[in-house]
Amino acid sequence: DAGVIQSPRHEVTEMGQEVTLRCKPISGHDYLFWYRQTMMRGLELLIYFNNNVPIDDSGMPEDRFSAKMPNASFSTLKIQPSEPRDSAVYFCASSLAQGFTGELFFGEGSRLTVL
Amino acid sequence: AQSVAQPEDQVNVAEGNPLTVKCTYSVSGNPYLFWYVQYPNRGLQFLLKYITGDNLVKGSYGFEAEFNKSQTSFHLKKPSALVSDSALYFCAVRDRGSGTYKYIFGTGTRLKVLA
Repeated sequence: DAGVIQSPRHEVTEMGQEVTLRCKPISGHDYLFWYRQTMMRGLELLIYFNNNVPIDDSGMPEDRFSAKMPNASFSTLKIQPSEPRDSAVYFCASSLAQGFTGELFFGEGSRLTVL
Repeated sequence: AQSVAQPEDQVNVAEGNPLTVKCTYSVSGNPYLFWYVQYPNRGLQFLLKYITGDNLVKGSYGFEAEFNKSQTSFHLKKPSALVSDSALYFCAVRDRGSGTYKYIFGTGTRLKVLA
């Protein structure tokens, strides 16, 4: 299996622009997570899905952030409009629940820089 | 509330020496515990997990961790460190009684193995 695939790996944009990050989870996994990593705040869970349904979005910073999972093999995280404080590495991870014991498989991340 | 503490921001160890990276946790119920490693510009990789049973858990790359319920700790260990072990290590916990799939991650410990 190719693992969790994220795109783009790097994105540089200007404040106010829309940003879309993409994720393809591992086939057969039933959970998908979006995390954000910064030096100041470490790893933050933004949202997670189970069988394409959003379960907990309490970590989404504000209404500028939205996430969708239209099918089992694709998810997007959108920021509109983007701000410099959104600069971070965004990780997608997937998991097979296994009674809540399954580990996370992370993608390589999307490094976002908002100027 | 769930929490994870990694008391050391950085651990330095000489190559060939044993290493320990500390983790303590707080959950209301019984925990599932995990260790992940992150190499520069990469996503997190799963190392090992404690679910139940034997308190000593063996994982990838020669790492092991010991679950200590009385001390609420799950320290990561390796008998002989390699320079290639230098990376950022994260401890994570999930409360098995929470009914959710949310991990709580520690702030990470940077391991530096000196040649």
